[in-house]
Amino acid sequence: GESVGLHLPTLSVQEGDNSIINCAYSNSASDYFIWYKQESGKGPQFIIDIRSNMDKRQGQRVTVLLNKTVKHLSLQIAATQPGDSAVYFCAENMVSYNTDNLIFGTGTRLQVFP
Amino acid sequence: KAGVTQTPRYLIKTRGQQVTLSCSPISGHRSVSWYQQTPGQGLQFLFEYFSETQRNKGNFPGRFSGRQFSNSRSEMNVSTLELGDSALYLCASSLGLTATNEKLFFGSGTQLSVL
Repeated sequence: GESVGLHLPTLSVQEGDNSIINCAYSNSASDYFIWYKQESGKGPQFIIDIRSNMDKRQGQRVTVLLNKTVKHLSLQIAATQPGDSAVYFCAENMVSYNTDNLIFGTGTRLQVFP
Repeated sequence: KAGVTQTPRYLIKTRGQQVTLSCSPISGHRSVSWYQQTPGQGLQFLFEYFSETQRNKGNFPGRFSGRQFSNSRSEMNVSTLELGDSALYLCASSLGLTATNEKLFFGSGTQLSVL
């Protein structure tokens, strides 16, 4: 079936460095993508989204890049802080003949060390 | 503005019982979606409600059901609980249907443990 994202890997970065979290999606018809951050004991928190008619979008300290040719999505976090430690999920809005819902990747754990 | 509120926060049940979880969306949001989160399967879509009607459904057995009230509040029910139903159940609300590419805002979830 369709799948989004990689098996849960862990990315360890030093405080102040930039982080890049990657995600592969499988449905070329998906037209909307979102990154979520989930801290322990909390629900996923919206970070940034991008539509398929764009290839880059910037927020506060975060940038999302979309490469539709290779079906790849990335989240860049500038000057990573300890508060950025969490699991990050990419999600695509999958449209099929019988459903329309967000499909989430398995997530990437970001660990920030001093 | 208050966020998505889910109750209860924790729940312990035994096999064969049923359970009802509640979700209050962000004020003004009309769509409520439910997800199951487990370490092994990640976030799996259960169903989406909009204007008191189920609009989308994931690949879960009929033991999982839900409903939405006129004030957009939603409940989900799981009957005949199985051990594998132990999970974090997340509710998310949005202004419109997921099909319109609306952002989902999640609650903190209900952690269900089935013994």
